[in-house]
Amino acid sequence: QVELQESGPGLVKPSETLSLNCAVSRYSIINTFYWAWIRQSPGKGLEWIASIYHTGRLYYNPSLRSRVTISVDTSKNQFSLKLTSVTAADTAVYYCARIAVGATTPFDFWGQGTLVTVSS
Amino acid sequence: QSVLTQPPSMSGAPGQRVTFSCSGSSSNIGAGYDVHWYKQLPGTAPKLLIYGNNNRPSGVPDRFSGSKSGTSVSLAITGLQADDEADYYCQSYDSDLSAWVFGGGTKLTVL
Repeated sequence: QVELQESGPGLVKPSETLSLNCAVSRYSIINTFYWAWIRQSPGKGLEWIASIYHTGRLYYNPSLRSRVTISVDTSKNQFSLKLTSVTAADTAVYYCARIAVGATTPFDFWGQGTLVTVSS
Repeated sequence: QSVLTQPPSMSGAPGQRVTFSCSGSSSNIGAGYDVHWYKQLPGTAPKLLIYGNNNRPSGVPDRFSGSKSGTSVSLAITGLQADDEADYYCQSYDSDLSAWVFGGGTKLTVL
């Protein structure tokens, strides 16, 4: 079954850009699924950040849209997240996940998550 | 404050039945968007537990069931077991926000 693995720096300074990658294995990223980023602040709930299809079609959470870029690299079977101008409020565990096409579908497979701390 | 409202905590004794609630509005659950449930153990990623309001992925026992009524959904666990102790999240789509949304989660304690 599909496996997802996040990678990236665990510590980012305030005002800088958070960059994460999600490597997808055992499944081709060009199949009919969207690929998403979700985060979970310490002790808090889950927040969807953005989703992308292999063609480049994408959706952003309006609350984060101005700071978020999501992209896909089909040659490497991975997708990425960039979040600019980070603050302490962006400290969270960041998950990548798979979601089928359509608004009513679930996030059916998740990566293990990676903790990103924003601190000087 | 989460778009979908869940009680922060619940508890039950082994063998009991517990029911979690998830309340939404006319722009998400009430609009007909399916609700999904996830179970999260400490230090691990959420795992899909129920999809499409009342469907179980392969491997999820039939002790877990979901239902929907109006702008609310419920998750029921029967025959409570120690390893059911976890956080449970509901998730749907909100047309007003144009975003996939989650509940704040319910922490289940098995007494």
